[in-house]
Amino acid sequence: TQLLEQSPQFLSIQEGENLTVYCNSSSVFSSLQWYRQEPGEGPVLLVTVVTGGEVKKLKRLTFQFGDARKDSSLHITAAQPGDTGLYLCAGERYDMRFGAGTRLTVKP
Amino acid sequence: DTAVSQTPKYLVTQMGNDKSIKCEQNLGHDTMYWYKQDSKKFLKIMFSYNNKELIINETVPNRFSPKSPDKAHLNLHINSLELGDSAVYFCASSRLPTPWAGRGANVLTFGAGSRLTVL
Repeated sequence: TQLLEQSPQFLSIQEGENLTVYCNSSSVFSSLQWYRQEPGEGPVLLVTVVTGGEVKKLKRLTFQFGDARKDSSLHITAAQPGDTGLYLCAGERYDMRFGAGTRLTVKP
Repeated sequence: DTAVSQTPKYLVTQMGNDKSIKCEQNLGHDTMYWYKQDSKKFLKIMFSYNNKELIINETVPNRFSPKSPDKAHLNLHINSLELGDSAVYFCASSRLPTPWAGRGANVLTFGAGSRLTVL
């Protein structure tokens, strides 16, 4: 059983569409991070959210931490082909535990 | 200069062999990790070292033995390789171990991964 469940596992959309991916757990985390991983590379940190209810924006990406610090969402507005990749959430407790990721494909 | 570098990038070997993967970081971080990413892309922590001391040792077979000669290097040696060991192994580093860095302050920097294929 994974500590963090990400959904959907796979998402294929057209350029210009909006999307939301989710990261859920029954556990409380000190913080939650989102990483993006491209083929043949390691994950790269996008954002860290710390406070319950916190919302952070990174250009077209909006990250939200749930009020109870158990879940998070990533919303992308007007997706572009360059957004294609594997999006991983990681929850901080004694160490960083990762979800299995959402593989996003944005078609031109 | 690559911040976290792993070698080799690809490794193909036969069942039963012994192999090593090397990792070096030039970020001046105190903490290094090994993560395993399986075919379903699930990234699972294996080991964590802080300043050459083992601080996290997940339920990993004894065939896996990490070694940290200094705080900039963390190598992974695998004995008697099995088919199920096939995966991408990622090395990562951070300034401090997660519980010590302060809430939300820990950032992992990953290497590009080493893809191990056991035939």
